[in-house]
Amino acid sequence: DVKVTQSSRYLVKRTGEKVFLECVQDMDHENMFWYRQDPGLGLRLIYFSYDVKMKEKGDIPEGYSVSREKKERFSLILESASTNQTSMYLCASRPVGAGYGYTFGSGTRLTVV
Amino acid sequence: ELKVEQNPLFLSMQEGKNYTIYCNYSTTSDRLYWYRQDPGKSLESLFVLLSNGAVKQEGRLMASLDTKARLSTLHITAAVHDLSATYFCAGTSGSRLTFGEGTQLTVNP
Repeated sequence: DVKVTQSSRYLVKRTGEKVFLECVQDMDHENMFWYRQDPGLGLRLIYFSYDVKMKEKGDIPEGYSVSREKKERFSLILESASTNQTSMYLCASRPVGAGYGYTFGSGTRLTVV
Repeated sequence: ELKVEQNPLFLSMQEGKNYTIYCNYSTTSDRLYWYRQDPGKSLESLFVLLSNGAVKQEGRLMASLDTKARLSTLHITAAVHDLSATYFCAGTSGSRLTFGEGTQLTVNP
């Protein structure tokens, strides 16, 4: 089975801190994604990457950046955390080609105080 | 820009009953996905629908796709309590996956 592993299940950070959320997948998938999930707003795409060192903005990239130095790892960076970034963050990966599903990690619940 | 809308957003049903969740999308979508999410958990893939008329079934759940109507349905047959969860549909534009708001399903004994 494909595994998408997010390094932390729960995180509490202070306003203004730089925060790194890590995601690792073990099946050589080309595409990786970061979503945030908020009640009443569903899942919204922050950034995605279709190859090493490649990235594209999703629907809500403001306040975030990403890094993909190796194929298996996709990092989400909050440059200066704010309370409105308190959310559940979900990472996903997918291989290239029709018919393949997206595999999601277990999520990181981030609280910014 | 692809938009995906689900209805209903909340569904309370009795065990043994049938019901359908609807998923409309605004522009052409390459694929249509259905996911299940239990409280506090991640998303579990249920179905991937690739073409017009596609129908897939797993246990008490059946998903279908009508690309001409831009509509997918998730039909629940003889609901059981274990099906209580939030169900999401999602469409794709290229590699981008756009989700509906989710349908929170509660199956009561």
